[in-house]
Amino acid sequence: NAGVTQTPKFQVLKTGQSMTLQCAQDMNHNSMYWYRQDPGMGLRLIYYSASEGTTDKGEVPNGYNVSRLNKREFSLRLESAAPSQTSVYFCASSELQGAYNEQFFGPGTRLTVL
Amino acid sequence: AQSVTQLGSHVSVSEGALVLLRCNYSSSVPPYLFWYVQYPNQGLQLLLKYTTGATLVKGINGFEAEFKKSETSFHLTKPSAHMSDAAEYFCAVSKGGGSNYKLTFGKGTLLTVNP
Repeated sequence: NAGVTQTPKFQVLKTGQSMTLQCAQDMNHNSMYWYRQDPGMGLRLIYYSASEGTTDKGEVPNGYNVSRLNKREFSLRLESAAPSQTSVYFCASSELQGAYNEQFFGPGTRLTVL
Repeated sequence: AQSVTQLGSHVSVSEGALVLLRCNYSSSVPPYLFWYVQYPNQGLQLLLKYTTGATLVKGINGFEAEFKKSETSFHLTKPSAHMSDAAEYFCAVSKGGGSNYKLTFGKGTLLTVNP
């Protein structure tokens, strides 16, 4: 099992460009998440999908959109990239059992916006 | 609302010394607690977790943590640090109610191990 995979691993964009970060999981989990990690800020939740067909905003959704393509795949789109979106992006998945929410993380995408 | 506080953004120890990384949480109900480790340029992986039952939990690589409800703490320890333990460590909490779908993370503690 590959677990959670993310593409690309690295990306450099110019301000105003758009791109989509891809995430897939092979653990048959119902829930998926997108986080961004910035120095000294820990992980901040951008969007999540509790189950196939649903998505909800997290702490820092502005400037992002998501699509839960099917149970395996959850993509994050930057429509018009800004330097403030320079960050490391992590996708995660979990099989929610009541309040128990052990999440499995992908290797991350390192994005630089110039 | 729940929050997680990790005391010390950077901890430095000598190889062979005790590792103690502190985590306190605020929660009105008993939570589920996790420690994740992040090695340089990698994603997060689960180190250990507390669900129910025994309050002292053991994880991978010789780490353990003790859930102390009275102190709302879940500190991570390892008796003897190894160079390979150098990484960033994150404490996280999940609980029921309106935040069912979210883990709340602390801001992380960077562990440096000196030879």
